[in-house]
Amino acid sequence: GAGVSQSPSNKVTEKGKDVELRCDPISGHTALYWYRQRLGQGLEFLIYFQGNSAPDKSGLPSDRFSAERTGESVSTLTIQRTQQEDSAVYLCASSLGLWSGELFFGEGSRLTVL
Amino acid sequence: AQSVTQLGSHVSVSEGALVLLRCNYSSSVPPYLFWYVQYPNQGLQLLLKYTSAATLVKGINGFEAEFKKSETSFHLTKPSAHMSDAAEYFCAVTPNFGNEKLTFGTGTRLTIIP
Repeated sequence: GAGVSQSPSNKVTEKGKDVELRCDPISGHTALYWYRQRLGQGLEFLIYFQGNSAPDKSGLPSDRFSAERTGESVSTLTIQRTQQEDSAVYLCASSLGLWSGELFFGEGSRLTVL
Repeated sequence: AQSVTQLGSHVSVSEGALVLLRCNYSSSVPPYLFWYVQYPNQGLQLLLKYTSAATLVKGINGFEAEFKKSETSFHLTKPSAHMSDAAEYFCAVTPNFGNEKLTFGTGTRLTIIP
């Protein structure tokens, strides 16, 4: 497809389980971002990948969160030992990395931790 | 650190009436400001951006925003609301050119009354 694709769109898991969320950016986009949106709150920056540079992990809330990106393609956000406070919509975005200020967002993955 | 505050989590206007969505920023340096829109079941998309050129910025779908340094504001307006404008709107800021790590507000859900 032409847009940013995220999967799964919905995930329900039990507290303590690990989850993986996947993001397929737009082809040719060198920059990729993960944001988290909790109910009633703004988008919270998690991590940023730009080309072959070291990722900016400054927004990851704890060491239970990690993300990888293979080259300039797919990214996976992993949450280990999930907690109820991890329940949120996880948004992925990509951009050309040329600083147009325009991020292209996927529809998000809604995570519910019971 | 920079931040944005959106006043009013929900705004309702009648079809044909003026739309005004408020955003105030806090930044220690001249900011770059953005409005993003999220239509139902879609990802966020860029509506318009301010990058220190003209203070009045025009975006898609008839929206515009004015950067007012004296008021630290970047309010979004549209002269005449249309039913298709019903969506959630997010204001965002980044401190400098070349930094695509946007800080988002909590969003304002716009409802259009027929």
